Amino acid sequence: QKEVEQNSGPLSVPEGAIASLNCTYSDRVSQSFFWYRQYSGKSPELIMSIYSNGDKEDGRFTAQLNKASQYVSLLIRDSQPSDSATYLCAVNERTGGSYIPTFGRGTSLIVHP
Amino acid sequence: DTGVSQNPRHKITKRGQNVTFRCDPISEHNRLYWYRQTLGQGPEFLTYFQNEAQLEKSRLLSDRFSAERPKGSFSTLEIQRTEQGDSAMYLCASSLVQGGIGEQYFGPGTRLTVT
Repeated sequence: QKEVEQNSGPLSVPEGAIASLNCTYSDRVSQSFFWYRQYSGKSPELIMSIYSNGDKEDGRFTAQLNKASQYVSLLIRDSQPSDSATYLCAVNERTGGSYIPTFGRGTSLIVHP
Repeated sequence: DTGVSQNPRHKITKRGQNVTFRCDPISEHNRLYWYRQTLGQGPEFLTYFQNEAQLEKSRLLSDRFSAERPKGSFSTLEIQRTEQGDSAMYLCASSLVQGGIGEQYFGPGTRLTVT
């Protein structure tokens, strides 16, 4: 069964530190990878997408992809208390004739002042 | 507001009743997805539409669940004979898929409570 694995946390970091969130996936042919942020009681909000090996930066966020290791990560620099949320990793995995987004359980991040 | 909208936002129903949820996607998006999410879990895929065609349906989806997307615009998700285990957040997302790639944008969700 195809899986997307995340450490559920919580990951606790001090304000201003770098938060590192990790995700592994099982489907070797996956081509599209996404990170979402979800505040308690709210719906997921897209942070970043990444499709090629290497790093992709957007403001304080950097996504890293290593297809050989089937690993994708999200770094948050200069973490703020407002970054406290659950971070969901999503991978487009092949199901039947389609690529369907499969989500991990999410990692809870707590940024303390 | 040009985002994805869902109605109702909350629904409380008694076991055995039927419920229907509506999703209005971002207007230029060609794909629409339905997910279910329970506490502590990521969104679980239910089904998706490419324009008006329903292309994939989760094997986990009971035959009590049905979805439609007439004319490729809004979509409805109906649950018949609701059970307590159906209590969850039902999320809709849409995307513009080109060349097999597209980012999904979620609506606010409909929270269902079955008593």
